[in-house]
Amino acid sequence: DVKVTQSSRYLVKRTGEKVFLECVQDMDHENMFWYRQDPGLGLRLIYFSYDVKMKEKGDIPEGYSVSREKKERFSLILESASTNQTSMYLCASMRDSSSSYEQYFGPGTRLTVT
Amino acid sequence: SQQGEEDPQALSIQEGENATMNCSYKTSINNLQWYRQNSGRGLVHLILIRSNEREKHSGRLRVTLDTSKKSSSLLITASRAADTASYFCATERVGNTPLVFGKGTRLSVIA
Repeated sequence: DVKVTQSSRYLVKRTGEKVFLECVQDMDHENMFWYRQDPGLGLRLIYFSYDVKMKEKGDIPEGYSVSREKKERFSLILESASTNQTSMYLCASMRDSSSSYEQYFGPGTRLTVT
Repeated sequence: SQQGEEDPQALSIQEGENATMNCSYKTSINNLQWYRQNSGRGLVHLILIRSNEREKHSGRLRVTLDTSKKSSSLLITASRAADTASYFCATERVGNTPLVFGKGTRLSVIA
């Protein structure tokens, strides 16, 4: 079974702090994604990566950056956390983009910025 | 950019009844997928239907796709309390772009 793990289930940070959210998948998937989920807004794509050291902006990249140094790990970075980044963050992986495949999600990190 | 829109936003039914959720989208797609999310957890993939398919079954799930109307429906038959969750449709648009998720339908199954 594919397993996607996220470094924390719950995280509380202060405004202005640099925040790292880590995601690891164990199935050698090419593609990885970061979403945020907010009530009434559904899932919104922040960044994604089709391969190591590659990254693409999603729909709401402002205030975020990402790093993919190894195939299995995709990190989301909040350079200077703000209260409007309080949200549920979901990481997902997918085999590759050559055909129709499903995404596998991690359990999520609920981030609160105070 | 939201592609899929689920309807209704919330649905409450008795155990044993069928639950139907709908999804409408705007542009041409390669496939449409349905996911389930239990409260406070990640999403779990349920079923994928390709643009050249009209209907697909998986256990108690039945998905239909009407590309002419740009809509899909998810039917859960003989619902159980454990089916209580949010259900999302996601579309893979033509052009090899990432999945776009709708806002979800919250299903409550009352025992």
